[in-house]
Amino acid sequence: AQSVTQPDIHITVSEGASLELRCNYSYGATPYLFWYVQSPGQGLQLLLKYFSGDTLVQGIKGFEAEFKRSQSSFNLRKPSVHWSDAAEYFCAVGANTDKLIFGTGTRLQVFP
Amino acid sequence: DAGVIQSPRHEVTEMGQEVTLRCKPISGHDYLFWYRQTMMRGLELLIYFNNNVPIDDSGMPEDRFSAKMPNASFSTLKIQPSEPRDSAVYFCASRRTGGTGFSNQPQHFGDGTRLSIL
Repeated sequence: AQSVTQPDIHITVSEGASLELRCNYSYGATPYLFWYVQSPGQGLQLLLKYFSGDTLVQGIKGFEAEFKRSQSSFNLRKPSVHWSDAAEYFCAVGANTDKLIFGTGTRLQVFP
Repeated sequence: DAGVIQSPRHEVTEMGQEVTLRCKPISGHDYLFWYRQTMMRGLELLIYFNNNVPIDDSGMPEDRFSAKMPNASFSTLKIQPSEPRDSAVYFCASRRTGGTGFSNQPQHFGDGTRLSIL
């Protein structure tokens, strides 16, 4: 069965620092992978997606993620965090099913 | 383009009352999903539709919950009777069928309905 793990429940970084949010999945083949961001009081917004091809994908708001098959990971990165990036981030995986499996989320706090 | 539209944004009602949440998916999307989000349980899929037909309702908590999709542009999630433990944020999401099927197209979420049952 598919599963997604986001090991970090809460991360705190200083504004301007780099960021990496971890995501590990479990699936026998290459899955479809997504990162979403949720700001307070809002729905989930798609940051980026991976289907196939180049393993480094670029998203909105300066985010990127790298698919590493050997590590079953799809970590989200940003070189310099802005205060407005404070939000909750969800990794999701889809495969041979109509549904997406979401991770439990990582809450990002940004200090000035 | 308009995104997924949910109404109401907030709902406060007393235990035992009927609650109806509404969703308008993105035009052209043939999948619609209802989720519930709470601090304790995170994001849970309740039910989803394809071409207005319910495909999987295994996430619906109990018979007090029901969902319908009478046409491609409208869906409702109803709770009758409501209970305090139903308090949560309810999201609707939609997507279109991907070229190779299954979930290779991203879901687009509405801003949710924050439901409080007193």
